[in-house]
Amino acid sequence: EVQLVESGGGLVQPGGSLRLSCAASGLTISNYWMSWVRLAPGKGLEWVAIISQDGNEKFYVDSVMGRFTASKDNAKNSLYLQMNSLRAEDTAVYHCARYPYFGATYFDYWGQGNLVTVSS
Amino acid sequence: QSALTQPPSASGSPGQSVTISCTGTSSDVGGYNYVSWYQHHPGKAPKLMIYDVTKRPSGVPDRFSGSKSGNTASLTVSGLQPEDEADYYCSSHAGGHNLAFGGGTKLTVL
Repeated sequence: EVQLVESGGGLVQPGGSLRLSCAASGLTISNYWMSWVRLAPGKGLEWVAIISQDGNEKFYVDSVMGRFTASKDNAKNSLYLQMNSLRAEDTAVYHCARYPYFGATYFDYWGQGNLVTVSS
Repeated sequence: QSALTQPPSASGSPGQSVTISCTGTSSDVGGYNYVSWYQHHPGKAPKLMIYDVTKRPSGVPDRFSGSKSGNTASLTVSGLQPEDEADYYCSSHAGGHNLAFGGGTKLTVL
């Protein structure tokens, strides 16, 4: 059974940093492109970052470019999102998700998410 | 403001059908046959219900169907069941690595 479990969220002040983790089981993340997607209160879903199978290609939504960094540790079968210079508008539940194959335009497995709250 | 427009709510009685719309532009919904739909029970992992406009993953009941006309995609749930009550989000390829999402529709089974 495929499982993605996020951790590392919490309350942080504006300008602060957090590192989210996504532990995978039932799949080998080195075989897949992966993504971080967030759901802000009262808003829709928004993709945040995408990372390639080997971790060498990364893409970010404009609003987090230069502040967030996605990475993978294929040996630990885990995905990470380093979030710096956090803003109130980054407050959201962050999900990791899997693209089923290169070039797919949808996610076939998601984690249940982890809440990040940016507030003073 | 989300890139794709969905009605904030929809409802129907058990056994009825309900259709949720998702309106975009020619740069996303209208430009590609790559619309997907997700069911989300808050606090749980979103679940893929429809991909590539009309395709259903294995395990998703055939009560769920997708369609598209121009810049608007639709998800129809037939034979509503209590467990269908959830938030539903549409998504569309929007060129390159971009994915556009809708603001979500809360489906209530009366």
